[in-house]
Amino acid sequence: DGGITQSPKYLFRKEGQNVTLSCEQNLNHDAMYWYRQDPGQGLRLIYYSQIVNDFQKGDIAEGYSVSREKKESFPLTVTSAQKNPTAFYLCASSSHGGSNEKLFFGSGTQLSVL
Amino acid sequence: AQRVTQPEKLLSVFKGAPVELKCNYSYSGSPELFWYVQYSRQRLQLLLRHISRESIKGFTADLNKGETSFHLKKPFAQEEDSAMYYCALKVHTDKLIFGTGTRLQVFP
Repeated sequence: DGGITQSPKYLFRKEGQNVTLSCEQNLNHDAMYWYRQDPGQGLRLIYYSQIVNDFQKGDIAEGYSVSREKKESFPLTVTSAQKNPTAFYLCASSSHGGSNEKLFFGSGTQLSVL
Repeated sequence: AQRVTQPEKLLSVFKGAPVELKCNYSYSGSPELFWYVQYSRQRLQLLLRHISRESIKGFTADLNKGETSFHLKKPFAQEEDSAMYYCALKVHTDKLIFGTGTRLQVFP
């Protein structure tokens, strides 16, 4: 189905390795988000971007980096500085404001450390 | 501090029983609150938002600024309501923070 696509579904990282999670949307949304989902901790915001070539840190940005070179793409890199990367990562997008504003979520990427 | 609190990790009820999923928030500005739901094997999706004052799938939620709460209610639970429910607070333009979620189990 269209909308927002995350890949891969499962990803394994070795110690000291950087890995990149892909997020693409065809909804023409300006805003995109990355959340981390851990059992018992809900969703925590890593980074978000309101417009191309601009992004802001969320609540747990340390050890992560992002880019927003294209409106439809918002990849997340989990760097070796992130000491506890094992989690389920969710990407989302939304249009700006208005009465119909809501987040559309991807199906997620499960990252595990080998 | 900006925070969303969902005190119950798990709520179990029988079909036909009333349901109330609790959500409290902490925010100095004018709050915009949402409930998102994740059914088994489906994506997280918006259930309802307080600004619309809507009822979706029989669920309603009223913002109580005095108690800083936005509890989700349904008078008669159905088995298909079993899911993970997240309360969310909009703190800035385009920034949404979530609670830890409550798993609702509805038994037949």
